Amino acid sequence: EVQLVESGGGLVQPGRSLRLSCAASGFTFDDYAMHWVRQAPGKGLEWVSGISWNSGSIGYADSVKGRFTISRDNAKNSLYLQMNSLRAEDTALYYCAKDRGIFGGGPLAYWGQGTLVTVSS
Amino acid sequence: EIVLTQSPGTLSLSPGERATLSCRASQSVSSSYLAWYQQKPGQAPRLLIYGASSRATGIPDRFSGSGSGTDFTLTISRLEPEDFAVYYCQQYGSSLMVTFGPGTKVDIK
Repeated sequence: EVQLVESGGGLVQPGRSLRLSCAASGFTFDDYAMHWVRQAPGKGLEWVSGISWNSGSIGYADSVKGRFTISRDNAKNSLYLQMNSLRAEDTALYYCAKDRGIFGGGPLAYWGQGTLVTVSS
Repeated sequence: EIVLTQSPGTLSLSPGERATLSCRASQSVSSSYLAWYQQKPGQAPRLLIYGASSRATGIPDRFSGSGSGTDFTLTISRLEPEDFAVYYCQQYGSSLMVTFGPGTKVDIK
C-alpha cells in the first residue's frame, strides 16, 4: 500500500525557515517523480514544486521560486521541501504527492494527508 | 502557462441526479493531459480521471471524463451521497509543472 507521510510543519514567524519531510513507503520511490502541493485555508490547490526521479529535473511555482528548495533522498525514500523567507501567504496545508511517471508530467496518483504550516508573528 | 477555469463554482443537486462539471483551458492541453480530482472536507485530493477520460484505479464507473483541446467535462451519472465534494481539474504534461483549476463544489440541494 502506498503511504506518504508528511512532517515538519508548525508555527513560524515571517522571514524564518522551515523544512518539510515526506516519508514514502509501499512503492519503489526512485521510480517516480514527486511533488509538493499546498492548500491555503478554505482555498484551492496550488502546485508548489516537483522533482524527477533522480533530481535531474526540478520545477517551482513562481510564488516560491528563489525561496523554496525541493530535494529527495532515494536511499531514505524521502522527499523534502526547504522553505526560507517565509511569508504569511505561505500559510497552508502542504501535501506530498506521487507522480505517475518517472520524469514528472503525470497526474498525481497518491497524496499524503498533509502537514500544516502557519506563518505568523 | 496554461490557466484553467471551472464552471460552475457551485452545483446544487440532489442524490440520484446527474452532475456535469466543466473545465476550460486558456490554450490547448496537449495529448489530453487533463486530470480530475475529488476532495472531501478534511481529506487529501483523490485522483478520479486522467488522460481526460481514463478512470483511476478503484473509481466507480458513474464517473466519466470527456473532452479535448481546451474544453473538458467531468460527468457523474447518478450522484451518490458520498459524491458531494469539491472537484478540481488539473493540467499536466511534458514538464514537472502542473496547474489546477479553482474547483467546483457539488453540494446537496
